[in-house]
Amino acid sequence: IQLTQSPSLLSASVGDRVTLSCKGSQNINNYLAWYQQKLGEAPKLLIYKTNSLQTGIPSRFSGSGSGADYTLTISSLHSEDLATYYCYQYYNGLSFGSGTKLEIK
Amino acid sequence: EVQLVESGGGLVQPGRSLKLSCAASGFAFSDYAMAWVRQAPKKGLEWVATIVYDGGSTYYRDSVKGRFTISRDHAKSTLYLQMDSLRSEDTATYYCARHSGATRVFDYWGRGVMVTVSS
Repeated sequence: IQLTQSPSLLSASVGDRVTLSCKGSQNINNYLAWYQQKLGEAPKLLIYKTNSLQTGIPSRFSGSGSGADYTLTISSLHSEDLATYYCYQYYNGLSFGSGTKLEIK
Repeated sequence: EVQLVESGGGLVQPGRSLKLSCAASGFAFSDYAMAWVRQAPKKGLEWVATIVYDGGSTYYRDSVKGRFTISRDHAKSTLYLQMDSLRSEDTATYYCARHSGATRVFDYWGRGVMVTVSS
């Protein structure tokens, strides 16, 4: 399954509500996770099974979606959210999206 | 605290071999499936291989099948990736990752080790 993330680059201000998109080439049946990767660091799991928040992740992060279309929302952007975000499907094989780089204005 | 520490990376010529190791601690290593995920310079993430908790089954992406072998040693709590017939397109940072429980999500990652394939 191919995952297409949009936009590839997003610039937003602290306090903004931010929405990142991930579209599969077919139905993913909610087996969709989101990872955050800061520069020079390993990825960190944020969300799994579409909308389940990983332990220790701030509640400003949330996920939604169904079928082939999924969204990661940051309700109020913090400066430390500067990172690249990857979606990941584990319904049919294992594959990552190409990433959305989030910049802080 | 869960810790995954990779080692064994470096510069290698095309066609040669390299073996990566990942030392695990802070959890019951033999209870979890483990994986290798790689990231080419300035590129995205790419799953490479998975081994189930008891080593009974292994899975690979098509581009490394027949060249890479994932294995584990429970006595040493260590995961391995034997990489043979290396190609320039295998150049990447290789991360060791733990599969979360019964799912195929990766919940813990190591800091990664760089592998450069070049003459």
